[in-house]
Amino acid sequence: DAMVIQNPRYQVTQFGKPVTLSCSQTLNHNVMYWYQQKSSQAPKLLFHYYDKDFNNEADTPDNFQSRRPNTSFCFLDIRSPGLGDAAMYLCATSGGPGGGASEQFFGPGTRLTVL
Amino acid sequence: QQPVQSPQAVILREGEDAVINCSSSKALYSVHWYRQKHGEAPVFLMILLKGGEQKGHEKISASFNEKKQQSSLYLTASQLSYSGTYFCGTAGSARQLTFGSGTQLTVLP
Repeated sequence: DAMVIQNPRYQVTQFGKPVTLSCSQTLNHNVMYWYQQKSSQAPKLLFHYYDKDFNNEADTPDNFQSRRPNTSFCFLDIRSPGLGDAAMYLCATSGGPGGGASEQFFGPGTRLTVL
Repeated sequence: QQPVQSPQAVILREGEDAVINCSSSKALYSVHWYRQKHGEAPVFLMILLKGGEQKGHEKISASFNEKKQQSSLYLTASQLSYSGTYFCGTAGSARQLTFGSGTQLTVLP
């Protein structure tokens, strides 16, 4: 089945220790998104790629970086995680013109704990 | 700017109906609706593009009033499986969605 896969599902890191979360998709969608979702809150968009075109939200901290080496894979790097970065990180994809006109397919998420 | 959802929470019995509203202060190109169960990823329900169309999906339907920049999600004859948090996501001319704060729906037997 075509899907969005995130690894790992659970990640524990220490304060200040870099961490990388990964997302892969078999849908061949051109748009990929990274969201941060804290408990009982809405998903908050961090950045998205339209093909290789990277789009950063204005309020995304510099601590967060992303890479998309090819259509299928996208990575979220948190350079120096703080306690406030503990959250669920959701990867999503969409085909066609993108989020406004196309449904987004979400991966299962990676729950990040910062000790 | 985050769309406003109401109510924040609703509890109903199986078989009852519910309406969830979503409003934005910005001109909208589309409205999406997603349902998220605890600890799981959001699941797409439907998308409404500007044009005021109404869509349906089994016993769940939605409307979009682009003049008022509002959308409503209608759940009829609710089932236990409908429980979860419902998010609307709104999009202007750009590709990205901004999600509302969510409505927690609990369906009791």
